[in-house]
Amino acid sequence: DQQVKQNSPSLSVQEGRISILNCDYTNSMFDYFLWYKKYPAEGPTFLISISSIKDKNEDGRFTVFLNKSAKHLSLHIVPSQPGDSAVYFCAAGEEGGSEKLVFGKGTKLTVNP
Amino acid sequence: GAGVSQSPRYKVAKRGQDVALRCDPISGHVSLFWYQQALGQGPEFLTYFQNEAQLDKSGLPSDRFFAERPEGSVSTLKIQRTQQEDSAVYLCASSKSRHLPHGYTFGSGTRLTVV
Repeated sequence: DQQVKQNSPSLSVQEGRISILNCDYTNSMFDYFLWYKKYPAEGPTFLISISSIKDKNEDGRFTVFLNKSAKHLSLHIVPSQPGDSAVYFCAAGEEGGSEKLVFGKGTKLTVNP
Repeated sequence: GAGVSQSPRYKVAKRGQDVALRCDPISGHVSLFWYQQALGQGPEFLTYFQNEAQLDKSGLPSDRFFAERPEGSVSTLKIQRTQQEDSAVYLCASSKSRHLPHGYTFGSGTRLTVV
């Protein structure tokens, strides 16, 4: 039973357009959510996070939206750039619990020039 | 160093062989994590250290897996009698005392192939 689900294995967008990556979770104890980006042969790198007390967090071209009632979050990248092509992982954790994170399977984003 | 360093980058082991994977965290980072990433999957938690104390080992798949961090810095993940299903990328990550909200820093991983 996957607690964090990324149902789209891949996404292809045109340079300059918006990329929207989605993530669903089942565990209502999660109160912190993070997005990581991964290039081939490298470890994941932290991108942006959001606490469950917020519904939006923005950092430059990246915005994460959280809908707690739907147990759904999304990452928006605007405008998308070819360098954004990577695998994006959604992860969730409990602030007051163990430090571990639960990851989704990832979505491979391809931004075409 | 500036980042989390893992060695070796690649390891091929014959089934039944013991392996040891090393992680050098960022200097001063209190927390250290090991994750296993199988092909096409996301990273899965194995174990977590705060300094030298192993606070959570709930993700270790069997008693063939053992991790240690004796001096609160370098950590070693040991897998005894490797099996084909152990083939994966093993990721180490470190963070300051509380990683949220900035997440933790991953190394590039060790790709283990068991033949």
